[in-house]
Amino acid sequence: GEQVEQLPSILRVQEGSSASINCSYEDSASNYFPWYKQEPGENPKLIIDIRSNMERKQIQELIVLLDKKAKRFSLHITDTQPGDSAMYFCAAKPGANTGKLTFGHGTILRVHP
Amino acid sequence: GPKVLQIPSHQIIDMGQMVTLNCDPVSNHLYFYWYKQILGQQMEFLVNFYNGKVMEKSKLFKDQFSVERPDGSYFTLKIQPTALEDSAVYFCASSLEGAQDTQYFGPGTRLLVL
Repeated sequence: GEQVEQLPSILRVQEGSSASINCSYEDSASNYFPWYKQEPGENPKLIIDIRSNMERKQIQELIVLLDKKAKRFSLHITDTQPGDSAMYFCAAKPGANTGKLTFGHGTILRVHP
Repeated sequence: GPKVLQIPSHQIIDMGQMVTLNCDPVSNHLYFYWYKQILGQQMEFLVNFYNGKVMEKSKLFKDQFSVERPDGSYFTLKIQPTALEDSAVYFCASSLEGAQDTQYFGPGTRLLVL
């Protein structure tokens, strides 16, 4: 089945700088890649997603890139703020006939003032 | 945004007993999911459910697990009997029919089996 690797596991950045989280997947049939943000004691919240017919998507300070050939996708947060501190999960969905999401291990992002 | 609720938030139970985890999905959603997260690890897919039926399940969805949504009420995950390795956080998610991709997650139920 699909496996998703996520790095780094912990990321510390200074407020105002950029943060990047990288994920890779194995199943070339994967066609949907969401990113979730989870704060302590809260539910994972979808923040941005990208489908396999796109290479780049931006919502405000969030940018996701998808390289299907390399089977990699990444989240970039520009101009980080302390409120961006949380756990971030990437995920992949292997094909149109399944609802199953395979998650990465998560990245703890800490934005220091 | 759309909210998924889960009850209870925490449950402590003795090994061998039965437990039912309840999920109140987004009101117009028709696809439902359970994921399991052991401390320090990623969320792992257990099962998805649509129109009264299990659509897919993973190897983690043991014979002791069952799901149902009687009459549009809670979507439930029942474990009977529980085992020590069932201790985890269980997340429910739901999505719209025809737009399975966007899954909205609940806050999780923290289950501890003693």
